[in-house]
Amino acid sequence: EADIYQTPRYLVIGTGKKITLECSQTMGHDKMYWYQQDPGMELHLIHYSYGVNSTEKGDLSSESTVSRIRTEHFPLTLESARPSHTSQYLCASSVGGDSPLHFGNGTRLTVT
Amino acid sequence: DAKTTQPNSMESNEEEPVHLPCNHSTISGTDYIHWYRQLPSQGPEYVIHGLTSNVNNRMASLAIAEDRKSSTLILHRATLRDAAVYYCILRDRNNFNKFYFGSGTKLNVKP
Repeated sequence: EADIYQTPRYLVIGTGKKITLECSQTMGHDKMYWYQQDPGMELHLIHYSYGVNSTEKGDLSSESTVSRIRTEHFPLTLESARPSHTSQYLCASSVGGDSPLHFGNGTRLTVT
Repeated sequence: DAKTTQPNSMESNEEEPVHLPCNHSTISGTDYIHWYRQLPSQGPEYVIHGLTSNVNNRMASLAIAEDRKSSTLILHRATLRDAAVYYCILRDRNNFNKFYFGSGTKLNVKP
């Protein structure tokens, strides 16, 4: 099974702070994704990557940015956190094509 | 984007089979049907996927209608650990990012 890790698991931070959510996978998957999910709601794709140095915005507009300098690492950054950013952020990876997505357990972000 | 329709919630008794329906009337020929489930406080977990034929694996079975406009996820013997939100999604095999999760079906399993 794919191993995909997200840190931190929970984060409470004040408005205006810069934060980086970490996501790493050990399976060498080229495709990586970030989803945003509010409690009890559906997942929305906010960023994805085809591979190193490739990033694209997803269907849901987000003020966050991502980078893909190494295959295994796909961090998400918020330059200035706001209460509207409070949500759960889920990272996933896959080989591509019709292969399954492998999800991390998410980072639950609260901005006060 | 092709979308799916699922009941908001379903209930089952432990040890009994569960049939979770999904409608996808706008499915295209290149869309795979995927099922994922999400347990509380966890990320979604892959369950099964198929294109045209019925599929079986150790977790579940997937029955796909002949016209592919609907499908059913079958859990043969529900356990308390199967209580989760089940998502039916369509995934375009030509565009790996093109799929839509929807709000899913919350399955409650009673002991």
